[in-house]
Amino acid sequence: DPKIIQKPKYLVAVTGSEKILICEQYLGHNAMYWYRQSAKKPLEFMFSYSYQKLMDNQTASSRFQPQSSKKNHLDLQITALKPDDSATYFCASSPDRGLGEQYFGPGTRLTVL
Amino acid sequence: GDKVKQSPSALSLQEGTNSALRCNFSIAATTVQWFLQNPRGSLMNLFYLVPGTKENGRLKSAFDSKESYSTLHIRDAQLEDSGTYFCAAEVLSNYNVLYFGSGTKLTVEP
Repeated sequence: DPKIIQKPKYLVAVTGSEKILICEQYLGHNAMYWYRQSAKKPLEFMFSYSYQKLMDNQTASSRFQPQSSKKNHLDLQITALKPDDSATYFCASSPDRGLGEQYFGPGTRLTVL
Repeated sequence: GDKVKQSPSALSLQEGTNSALRCNFSIAATTVQWFLQNPRGSLMNLFYLVPGTKENGRLKSAFDSKESYSTLHIRDAQLEDSGTYFCAAEVLSNYNVLYFGSGTKLTVEP
């Protein structure tokens, strides 16, 4: 059974729209993260959460907003989508913030037209 | 500049041969992780290292924090080893964050 679920697997959006990327982990971890992988750049850290609180934000744009409704959920809301937002977005988790290895979900591939 | 430099960027191996991938860090890395991204895009954990070495089957990895590098050795390469290998480092000053290299695309040929 997959331990980190990301939904949807593929997503196509139009410029200016808003989308939510879903992430749920069943590893019992307390820390969760979002990373982005685009064609032009290596995997980049975006956010980290620990016990449902934002710990680090390395995303310049406020259009990206993480949302944590439960300890094992960390969704990513993206507003006013732009073609440059096209990328694969990976959710990850670790036992605690800065403790132990990070495990990655399968990713959501977002294409903005 | 790049915090994590991976080399080579691409590599082609014959089945049964050996090779080594390398990451050099311009940051004070405290831990290193190695991943294999398969053609479907999933990231599989290979190693999690504090300074030292680990071995798992045909794979062996080392991390030297003083010299700021890590290596991944592949022995007796198999077709299923093909994919993109990434290293990622954590730093003490920001231990939430994994800084990734640009990856080594490995192709193993029969």
